[in-house]
Amino acid sequence: DGGITQSPKYLFRKEGQNVTLSCEQNLNHDAMYWYRQDPGQGLRLIYYSQIVNDFQKGDIAEGYSVSREKKESFPLTVTSAQKNPTAFYLCASSIGKVNIQYFGAGTRLSVL
Amino acid sequence: GQQLNQSPQSMFIQEGEDVSMNCTSSSIFNTWLWYKQEPGEGPVLLIALYKAGELTSNGRLTAQFGITRKDSFLNISASIPSDVGIYFCAGQLSRGAQKLVFGQGTRLTINP
Repeated sequence: DGGITQSPKYLFRKEGQNVTLSCEQNLNHDAMYWYRQDPGQGLRLIYYSQIVNDFQKGDIAEGYSVSREKKESFPLTVTSAQKNPTAFYLCASSIGKVNIQYFGAGTRLSVL
Repeated sequence: GQQLNQSPQSMFIQEGEDVSMNCTSSSIFNTWLWYKQEPGEGPVLLIALYKAGELTSNGRLTAQFGITRKDSFLNISASIPSDVGIYFCAGQLSRGAQKLVFGQGTRLTINP
């Protein structure tokens, strides 16, 4: 089945710890995105990547880092500099000039 | 970042009722998208609109691309319990634009 796989579904972070959220897609999409969603809120863009080895900051990039070494993969690291990391994180991908984004099932990150 | 004005923020309706929600902006959009998100899951694309005035249906769902290109509407007819969720609008400002602009979502609750 083609799609976007996020793992893990649930993740817990200790104080001062970096954690990495995985996002893999087998849709052959060029662009990938990371969003943060807080309870009752909309989606806020963290980082996005249009091609391999290139990515841009979104609206709330501070405290996060990404890499795009392969077309299929766009992992997000939540660093210890992110003081309020508890949220639902969504990964998406798209292809072509009409930016229809398809989403993964999300990772819920909580702080211990 | 820029956001769309989505209303209403929440709706509480009886099963069988029709639902209407909309998104507005001061900017002109090239593409409008409507997504549905169920609890603990990622948004799923419902309808994509590409031309001003376009009216598109997907089962009991109907969406329209506003003639001014600054708004879009989503209607759900004869609501059923599985329609419960959060509905998001999203817009692409121009063809090839790398980011989508999202609304804050409309939370739909249905009383059986």
